[in-house]
Parts: sequence; structure tokens; C-alpha cells
Amino acid sequence: GAVVSQHPSWVICKSGTSVKIECRSLDFQATTMFWYRQFPKQSLMLMATSNEGSKATYEQGVEKDKFLINHASLTLSTLTVTSAHPEDSSFYICSAAISGRAAYEQYFGPGTRLTVT
Amino acid sequence: AQSVAQPEDQVNVAEGNPLTVKCTYSVSGNPYLFWYVQYPNRGLQFLLKYITGDNLVKGSYGFEAEFNKSQTSFHLKKPSALVSDSALYFCAVRDPSGGYNKLIFGAGTRLAVHP
Repeated sequence: GAVVSQHPSWVICKSGTSVKIECRSLDFQATTMFWYRQFPKQSLMLMATSNEGSKATYEQGVEKDKFLINHASLTLSTLTVTSAHPEDSSFYICSAAISGRAAYEQYFGPGTRLTVT
Repeated sequence: AQSVAQPEDQVNVAEGNPLTVKCTYSVSGNPYLFWYVQYPNRGLQFLLKYITGDNLVKGSYGFEAEFNKSQTSFHLKKPSALVSDSALYFCAVRDPSGGYNKLIFGAGTRLAVHP
């Protein structure tokens, strides 16, 4: 139980284009979902916290206009990287917390590797 | 501010030997501590957590961790390492600021188990 999927698992896009990454909780409802970014051989950095039906809360230093997060349902959150640049290339990981449970108990997706050329 | 430190970038262990991956923390209030494992190009898998109760926490795949309040440590251990345990291990602590119960991760420790 508590499976989180991400789509796509990897994507290559050209500089200046936008790319959308989906995060789905497959067998549970998730009021709260988190988006992380992981650079090679580094830790996970929290980008933003999204709650279903409300605006995402972004961490300091994360551009909200560049990384658009939508959490339109209890099982789906999306991250759109707008006007992507090579420095946006990274491994993006989402996590989800089961509705009604503490949000620190997070279940992680398999990640999406974004390469911007 | 809450923080987590993993002092070792890499730990090398021979198969069959005990392993320890170190983690120290700094939090205000009671610590909620977690260990996760990450295999190449994959997301994180939950191993175990400490919220309250016994200082020795048992988790998945034979791993356990010992909470030591006086030393502010939460080291991950396993009595007998397997080659398949080779992966990247992250310690994390809850950051309740802002009301969202965020997780703050350590830098990660790469465990290499040699046959």
C-alpha cells in the first residue's frame, strides 16, 4: 500500500520550453504533497508543499513563477517547469502524505529526471 | 533551525559484518527522526522512524536505529550487511515550522558493501 507514481520517469526538453511532471497517489488520498529537487550526489531539497485545493507554499529561494505547482485533486499534483534552462536539469521527486495522517509520514515517488538541452 | 548531519560521505563494509551509518540532529522540541534508502535513479524508501517510545527502533530489511537523546544521535545499524544493502541512505528530521511538518534531510551517506 501507499504507492506514489511519477510521470514521466525521465524527460528531455529544449531550453525555453515547459515541461509538466505528474505525481499520483495510487491507493490513497493525499491532502498534502511535497516536491523535492535532488542534484547529483546531493541531498533532497524541499521546493514546495502543496495542499489540495489551495496554493502551494514555496521554500525560500524557489521561484514560484518558474515552478508551477497544481494540486487539483486528492490524488494528483503537478509540477510545471516553465521556460526551462539547462540549470533546471535535475532529479525531481514528489512525496505524498496520507489524508488524515501526519504530513511528516511521506511516501515517495520514484522520481523524474529532467534534462534541459 | 532544525538540521541533520551525516558526517560520513561513504561507509565501506564487508558482507556479513555489522554496519553503522551515523546521523546527528539539532531540533527544537521532541525530535521525530527518519531513515530512508535510495537506490540509483529511484525515489526514497522508508526504513524506520522514531517518534517516541523505545530508543531502539526496528525497521525494514533488518535495519534498526538507536535514538540517543544525550548525544542527539540516531545511528542506523544492521548486524550483518548484505551486498544488496549498497545504496544511498538519508537521515531526516521533522521540521514542524509553518505547520506543514516538513522533512529536512541530511546530505546522505553512500553505503558500499563488498563481497
